[in-house]
Amino acid sequence: EADIYQTPRYLVIGTGKKITLECSQTMGHDKMYWYQQDPGMELHLIHYSYGVNSTEKGDLSSESTVSRIRTEHFPLTLESARPSHTSQYLCASSEDLSRSGAQYFGPGTRLLVL
Amino acid sequence: QKEVEQNSGPLSVPEGAIASLNCTYSDRGSQSFFWYRQYSGKSPELIMSIYSNGDKEDGRFTAQLNKASQYVSLLIRDSQPSDSATYLCAVEGGSQGNLIFGKGTKLSVKP
Repeated sequence: EADIYQTPRYLVIGTGKKITLECSQTMGHDKMYWYQQDPGMELHLIHYSYGVNSTEKGDLSSESTVSRIRTEHFPLTLESARPSHTSQYLCASSEDLSRSGAQYFGPGTRLLVL
Repeated sequence: QKEVEQNSGPLSVPEGAIASLNCTYSDRGSQSFFWYRQYSGKSPELIMSIYSNGDKEDGRFTAQLNKASQYVSLLIRDSQPSDSATYLCAVEGGSQGNLIFGKGTKLSVKP
């Protein structure tokens, strides 16, 4: 089982602010993901990475950006937060590049943009 | 577009009964299948993985896979109120082998 950490767990911020949501995993997993999920709704993949210096956009268009400079770290950045960005953001990782391995999720960050 | 379908529920079962959750998928080439449990306000937690046709048992949970019919199911025996959650089915098939998640089935176990 992977250990995935996300900070902050909760964030309330004003419109226009730049924010970075942190995600780290200690299992050396190559693949990492960011999902967005509104309460009671389905998961939407917004970004993923196969490894260092690899980033791809997911199925849901997002104004956020990601980077992967280190294997264990996959931060997500919003340059200018808007109320429409209010949601829960979930980070996940998986170890197997050759097939779809199980994904392990962090605890999530609940974002409220006023 | 590749899809994973689940009945949204809610599925209500009495305590001690068997809960049966079903999932169908559209991509015949999918090889990996997972069930996640998500409590309200929490993140998804992996409870079962299955890769071959047939049944796979883990404690009170049994995953069943039928690739010919393109369905995967999860049985929960001796359901407990603590099993009340949303259960997500995930199937390999997204771009670059990513998982496609269903919308989830909400299970309620009544004492």
